[in-house]
Order: sequence, then structure tokens, then C-alpha cells
Amino acid sequence: SQKIEQNSEALNIQEGKTATLTCNYTNYSPAYLQWYRQDPGRGPVFLLLIRENEKEKRKERLKVTFDTTLKQSLFHITASQPADSATYLCALGGGSQGNLIFGKGTKLSVKP
Amino acid sequence: DADVTQTPRNRITKTGKRIMLECSQTKGHDRMYWYRQDPGLGLRLIYYSFDVKDINKGEISDGYSVSRQAQAKFSLSLESAIPNQTALYFCATSDSGTGGNTIYFGEGSWLTVV
Repeated sequence: SQKIEQNSEALNIQEGKTATLTCNYTNYSPAYLQWYRQDPGRGPVFLLLIRENEKEKRKERLKVTFDTTLKQSLFHITASQPADSATYLCALGGGSQGNLIFGKGTKLSVKP
Repeated sequence: DADVTQTPRNRITKTGKRIMLECSQTKGHDRMYWYRQDPGLGLRLIYYSFDVKDINKGEISDGYSVSRQAQAKFSLSLESAIPNQTALYFCATSDSGTGGNTIYFGEGSWLTVV
């Protein structure tokens, strides 16, 4: 069956450092991958989309990579700030099952 | 105003009661979804609708039903609520493009079944 793993439930880093979150998947060939941010008690908010033929996508301090050979996406936040503290979800789409499949998320805490 | 509005935002109900969660959207999207989120289990799809006449079961539809009253309205019903349906419920929308559908979520409805 299709499986998505965000291999850290929680990640703690110091302000100013680069946060790197990982999303791995198996038994799936997505056409694209998305990253969402979720604050406590709120709905997830879309951040970035990267397609299967793209290696890297950037938006301000955010960078996403997508390696379809490794079946992995990396999500980087450079110069992290306490305001970046949230749960980050990856989601795969465009495959045979038609709907987005979400990972369980990684809770990022950025300490001052 | 929010693009995707859910009511109620919080509800406590008793086991066996019928409860309806309502969702309306102003984004003009054809597709609407209901998800539930539980700690450690992530977001799971309950039902989805690609237009008013197209409703489909998701990963965990047992114990739930839905109604798409209009393009902008999609309601979720628990006919006879049970405690393990206690969760945070999200309504969401997306457009019908094929280039990678961004999902827009509502603020969530906290449901507690006692």
C-alpha cells in the first residue's frame, strides 16, 4: 500500500539555523508533492508545490527538493525564526488514487 | 472573511446523537473534501466531492455521510456519534485543474463525543 513517512515527529533547532525536514514515500509515483504548514488548532496552509520533473523549488527562505529516484523530498527553512515553529505536512498527489495523500507531519520548534 | 467556513467550530455531543458539520466556501471551487485529524494519525480523508452530483468515499467513510447541497456547500453528518469519532474535522476545497491541486482548508471543527 502507499506510504508516506515524515521521519521526525519533532525537530528542535536554534534560531538562525537551517531546518531540514524529510518526506519519504513508497509504493507511489506522484506527479507532484506539496508542503503545508499547520499551526495548533488551525487548518493547514499551502506553502510550496514541486512537480516530478523539478529538482528544486524556492520561495523566500523556503527550499524544497524532490528526488523521484530516492522517493524523497527535503524541505529547508533557512535562517529559521521562532515564528517558523509549527507542524509541517508533506502531501503527494497526481497518482492513480486521485487525491492528495498527507504525511503525519513534523513538529518544528525554533528556540530563540 | 474566511474562504472556507466551518460551523460549528466546537461541539460536544453525546453518544448516539446525530450531529452535522457544515461547510461553505467562497473560492468558487468545484472540489470539496472532509478530513479528520487525530494525534499520531495525521489527516485522513472521509469523503470528497468533485461536483454537486459526484460524491465519493474516502479512506474512512464508515459512520459518516455527506451532502453536497450546492457548489459552495458540503456538510458532514454523524448519524449516531460514538466516542472514537472525537477529532478535529476539516473541510477543504480545491479547483479542478490538473496541474497540482492546492487544498484550501477551513479552520476546523472540534468535535467531542462523550
